[in-house]
Amino acid sequence: GDSVTQMEGPVTLSEEAFLTINCTYTATGYPSLFWYVQYPGEGLQLLLKATKADDKGSNKGFEATYRKETTSFHLEKGSVQVSDSAVYFCALRTSFGNEKLTFGTGTRLTIIP
Amino acid sequence: DTAVSQTPKYLVTQMGNDKSIKCEQNLGHDTMYWYKQDSKKFLKIMFSYNNKELIINETVPNRFSPKSPDKAHLNLHINSLELGDSAVYFCASSQDAGSGELFFGEGSRLTVL
Repeated sequence: GDSVTQMEGPVTLSEEAFLTINCTYTATGYPSLFWYVQYPGEGLQLLLKATKADDKGSNKGFEATYRKETTSFHLEKGSVQVSDSAVYFCALRTSFGNEKLTFGTGTRLTIIP
Repeated sequence: DTAVSQTPKYLVTQMGNDKSIKCEQNLGHDTMYWYKQDSKKFLKIMFSYNNKELIINETVPNRFSPKSPDKAHLNLHINSLELGDSAVYFCASSQDAGSGELFFGEGSRLTVL
């Protein structure tokens, strides 16, 4: 079945550091890929998405590129801020009429000033 | 105006009790979901409704019963609560069943004593 594997957290970085959170997936067909972010005490919000191979999703300085050859969708940001502290979820949705969004286990990110 | 709103935000109850969580969305979306998030932040889909019709019913004890009176509302009723039901329950909605772009509520934290 479909699955998403994220790097285990927690991840702690200093402000202005470079961020990478790894995400790889297993799916049949050609899934759409997503990154969601959950700030403390809130629900998840869509951060960015990519719907086909080589697409790059971007938002708020975050980027992720859909790499079909490595089945990956790693999240990156060049210079993190304290306000980026949150839990980040990678997710996929397959294209075979499966309405279910499959989430990874989440990666907690803490940015220290 | 909150797009996806859940009530109550916090619920503390004894084992064996019955409780309900309500969810409403004002986005005009066709599809609504219930997710359960455990203490390790793992997010698992429970149910999904599309235009009041059940389309996803994961392996969930039948003590959990969703009900959708109209496409803007999806309530969750839980009978005979158990300790393991303690979690944060998130309601979400999407434009349609094929969309991976979900809008989440703020969550309802259920604690069973």
